Amino acid sequence: DIQLTQSPSFLSASEGDRVSITCRASQGISSYLGWYQQKPGKAPKLLISAASTLQSGVPSRFSGSGSRTEFTLIISSLQPEDFATYYCQQLSSYPITFGQGTRLEIK
Amino acid sequence: EVQLVESGGDLVQPGGSLRLSCVASGFTFSDHYMDWVRQAPGKGLEWVGRIRNKGNSYTTEYAASLKNRFTISRDDSKNSLFLQMNSLTTEDTAVYYCARGLFGEPRYMDVWGKGTAVTVSS
Repeated sequence: DIQLTQSPSFLSASEGDRVSITCRASQGISSYLGWYQQKPGKAPKLLISAASTLQSGVPSRFSGSGSRTEFTLIISSLQPEDFATYYCQQLSSYPITFGQGTRLEIK
Repeated sequence: EVQLVESGGDLVQPGGSLRLSCVASGFTFSDHYMDWVRQAPGKGLEWVGRIRNKGNSYTTEYAASLKNRFTISRDDSKNSLFLQMNSLTTEDTAVYYCARGLFGEPRYMDVWGKGTAVTVSS
């Protein structure tokens, strides 16, 4: 199975900050990586597919980059609604796997 | 409105069985791959399995640890997805989400239901 390791696992930041979350894959996955946002008690929401393709309706302050084994999610200027947990997901091969999550909290 | 609604979650004893359902609306269900994803209390997301569409022979994929106990099926005539869970253990306690696969490989999960809670306890 392909393991995804996110760093950091916890991030404290302020509104307006630029934050970066890294996802590392245990083997190359090309660009078959998605990023999801989950708020407490809610279902996950797809933000980015194919490592860097922003989904319709997702604010442009979110961006993704990377390929093979290292990927990054950047939020350029944190808004109050961005405080949530973020997960990366690989679909390069089965079983589909998720990273352990990065919890983004207000400083 | 594109929507997925899960149901069937319940309190069940260890060793028991449960069948979850997910009803889709607002899109052509039969065209899409569908997934189940679960989340244990306070934990991260865990993919359970996937069923492809008719054009891909309704083939399925599962997390290896669940393959022998869980079965995914669908009824396109009823816009419904199912998850049959057998020999449940306390480790299966989780919120179970169904999710739609986006068109185009590798089918990211672009629409999610609100989830249904399964508790396995004596």
